[in-house]
Amino acid sequence: AQSVAQPEDQVNVAEGNPLTVKCTYSVSGNPYLFWYVQYPNRGLQFLLKYITGDNLVKGSYGFEAEFNKSQTSFHLKKPSALVSDSALYFCAVRDEGGGADGLTFGKGTHLIIQP
Amino acid sequence: NAGVTQTPKFQVLKTGQSMTLQCAQDMNHEYMSWYRQDPGMGLRLIHYSVGAGITDQGEVPNGYNVSRSTTEDFPLRLLSAAPSQTSVYFCASSYSSGTGGGKLFFGSGTQLSVL
Repeated sequence: AQSVAQPEDQVNVAEGNPLTVKCTYSVSGNPYLFWYVQYPNRGLQFLLKYITGDNLVKGSYGFEAEFNKSQTSFHLKKPSALVSDSALYFCAVRDEGGGADGLTFGKGTHLIIQP
Repeated sequence: NAGVTQTPKFQVLKTGQSMTLQCAQDMNHEYMSWYRQDPGMGLRLIHYSVGAGITDQGEVPNGYNVSRSTTEDFPLRLLSAAPSQTSVYFCASSYSSGTGGGKLFFGSGTQLSVL
């Protein structure tokens, strides 16, 4: 069975500082990894995905994520946080051989950027 | 381009009532799904469909029915509402498999309260 862990319920960062939202995963085959963001009273929006290739993936709104196979991690990062980045962030994984129906989500991390 | 459209946005039901949550997408996606979002539990898959006429159960299917008569529409039916079904419901669509599988497009959600 595949799983995703987001160890922090909440991350607090001062505006302008770098941010990291942590994610670790477990999957039997090669992973396809995703980050989604949810703003208040909205549906989830796709941020970025890792399929294969470069371990550093760039996505929307200046976010990037680093795939680390040995640590089975896919942490979300941004060099300089904005107050508007405050939202709920979800990591998700599926096996390379699966489809969208095989996507497993983490429980989410609230990111709070303080002015 | 409307994307994924969900109706209604809010609904209050009494225990035992039935209702249908509507979902439509205009991207010709093969895959459609319903998730429920509960605090601290992330997103859990209720039912999904990989094409017209094909549906299957997800992680938490009990108390819900679905059908997929067209590519565009994927309604979710609550047959006899229970307080445990109080939640926020999201419809999502995607390319079902391959490298596109997992990049989900979400509707804006339905907030359902069962009294």
